[in-house]
Amino acid sequence: GESVGLHLPTLSVQEGDNSIINCAYSNSASDYFIWYKQESGKGPQFIIDIRSNMDKRQGQRVTVLLNKTVKHLSLQIAATQPGDSAVYFCAENYSGNTPLVFGKGTRLSVIA
Amino acid sequence: NAGVMQNPRHLVRRRGQEARLRCSPMKGHSHVYWYRQLPEEGLKFMVYLQKENIIDESGMPKERFSAEFPKEGPSILRIQQVVRGDSAAYFCASSPSRQGVETQYFGPGTRLLVL
Repeated sequence: GESVGLHLPTLSVQEGDNSIINCAYSNSASDYFIWYKQESGKGPQFIIDIRSNMDKRQGQRVTVLLNKTVKHLSLQIAATQPGDSAVYFCAENYSGNTPLVFGKGTRLSVIA
Repeated sequence: NAGVMQNPRHLVRRRGQEARLRCSPMKGHSHVYWYRQLPEEGLKFMVYLQKENIIDESGMPKERFSAEFPKEGPSILRIQQVVRGDSAAYFCASSPSRQGVETQYFGPGTRLLVL
């Protein structure tokens, strides 16, 4: 289930189940969105991106959905594995040369 | 093709000392970004540089912090007269072209601890 800890919200899932991580972005003008995975002690690792002219994009075991009406982004991970345990960040950007803005992050914990 | 390199990985400084953090972008990337991350928080943009130019420093404190990306060599983030509040992880990212157009790839970070 999903719970809010002291700092980062945490999502716990059983190995093999699907995971859905949600993100509400702030700028309605944002037109480029990225999901990053950050393992403990490491830098963010690119997972998948999507531009605002799309509402869905699929990668290997991952799918990103974009709902511009409610400014919502989600990352779906199929058949979650222990190696997927990490903190996941969404980031948004407006192609008018502005910095990436990161969301607060969600910690995914995979139960073997 | 090596990824983004940062050094040192860990840096300990006493209050009042200087911290110099180095970042070598991926081969072929001419755009560098610096971010700061506090524990259990997301990354906060600090500065965006191209070779020899600062493009956007809107996220960098006006005092004590400076950044450069010389024609030759790595990008440097310099923090003068460090204070305990500067303790954080500092990440560098690079991209082949300007932000918003290309994905940024991150280095492993430098963890700064100010005693």
